Order: sequence, then structure tokens, then C-alpha cells
Amino acid sequence: DQQVKQNSPSLSVQEGRISILNCDYTNSMFDYFLWYKKYPAEGPTFLISISSIKDKNEDGRFTVFLNKSAKHLSLHIVPSQPGDSAVYFCAADNAGNNRKLIWGLGTSLAVNP
Amino acid sequence: EAQVTQNPRYLITVTGKKLTVTCSQNMNHEYMSWYRQDPGLGLRQIYYSMNVEVTDKGDVPEGYKVSRKEKRNFPLILESPSPNQTSLYFCASSSRVEGSPLHFGNGTRLTVT
Repeated sequence: DQQVKQNSPSLSVQEGRISILNCDYTNSMFDYFLWYKKYPAEGPTFLISISSIKDKNEDGRFTVFLNKSAKHLSLHIVPSQPGDSAVYFCAADNAGNNRKLIWGLGTSLAVNP
Repeated sequence: EAQVTQNPRYLITVTGKKLTVTCSQNMNHEYMSWYRQDPGLGLRQIYYSMNVEVTDKGDVPEGYKVSRKEKRNFPLILESPSPNQTSLYFCASSSRVEGSPLHFGNGTRLTVT
């Protein structure tokens, strides 16, 4: 039973446009949500996070929105660049549970020039 | 440079031959963890450590051992590898501050024949 779901395995967008990656979760006890980016042959790298008490967090071209009532979060990348092409993982952190992260299966983003 | 270093990057071995994958971090992080990544299953936690001499099982600990004798090192030991342990392995570390992100190594691709 997946507690964190990324329902789109892949997404393709044009350079300069907005990329929207979605993530749904089932456990309302999660305290933080994090997005990681992964290039082939590298480990995941942290991108941006959001606390469950907020509904938006922004860092440059990356914005994460959290809708707690819908148990849904999304990552917006504006404008998208070819270097953003990677697999993006959504992860949920139950801070009271020994820092264990629950991971989605990832969305592969392709940004076309 | 702050980093998590795993070795080796690639390893091919035979069933039953004990092996160790090393992991070292230079960020003075208390928390360290091992994950395996398999197609369709995402990232699954094998073992984690909250501090020196404190380790605990993750979701898929069978067939693995770990030790945490020093803060910076967290080796993963496969006493008797089997083909179902063929996978991509990641070591990660973080501080224990709530919401702090995991820092990952670049992975170890293990093949057990």
C-alpha cells in the first residue's frame, strides 16, 4: 500500500514552459514533504521541501504547493530548462518516526529544447 | 566539499561471497541510512542509524548487516549475497533536525550472479 504516490511516470514539456509534477499522499501525520531530483548514475539530490504547516514554499524557479485537505502537493518549475530533465521523487517525512522517509516512485521529466 | 562517498560504484560478485559496501560522510551527520532502488519499487530503506552504535532495521533488512562504530562511516555488509540482492544501493546522511534533507551518495550498482 503506497502512502506516497506519483501517478505520472513521465512528463514532457517545452523549454521555457512550466513543469508541474504531482504527488498524493494518504497519511495526514506527515510533517514535511521533500522533492529530490535524480540524474542517471548519480544519487538523488535535495531540491526543495515544505512543512505541513505551510501551503507554499518557493526557491528560485522551483515552487512547491501543499493542499492538506486534498493530501496533494505539486512542484512547479518555471521556466523549465533542458538541464531540469531528470527523475523527480516526492518524499514524506514523519519526523516522529526516526526520520524515515516514504518515497514516491518518481516522475521522469523531459524538457525539450 | 560536503559529500557522501560510497565505494565501490560497481560490483559484480557470485552467490555466497561476502562483500562490504563502504559509506562515509564528512558533514558530521548523526543520521545515516541505506536504501536500495529497484524498478517499480522505488527507494526502500534497508537499515538506518540515529547515531554511533545505534542502528535499526528499515523496510527490507533481510540479508544485510550494518555497523556504526564511528560517526562518519556506515558500511553495508552482505554476508552471503544472493541474486535477489542485485540492485542499486544508496547511502544517505542527514542531521537530526526536523525536516533536514538527506544527502545521498552516488550509488553502488551490485550484481550477484
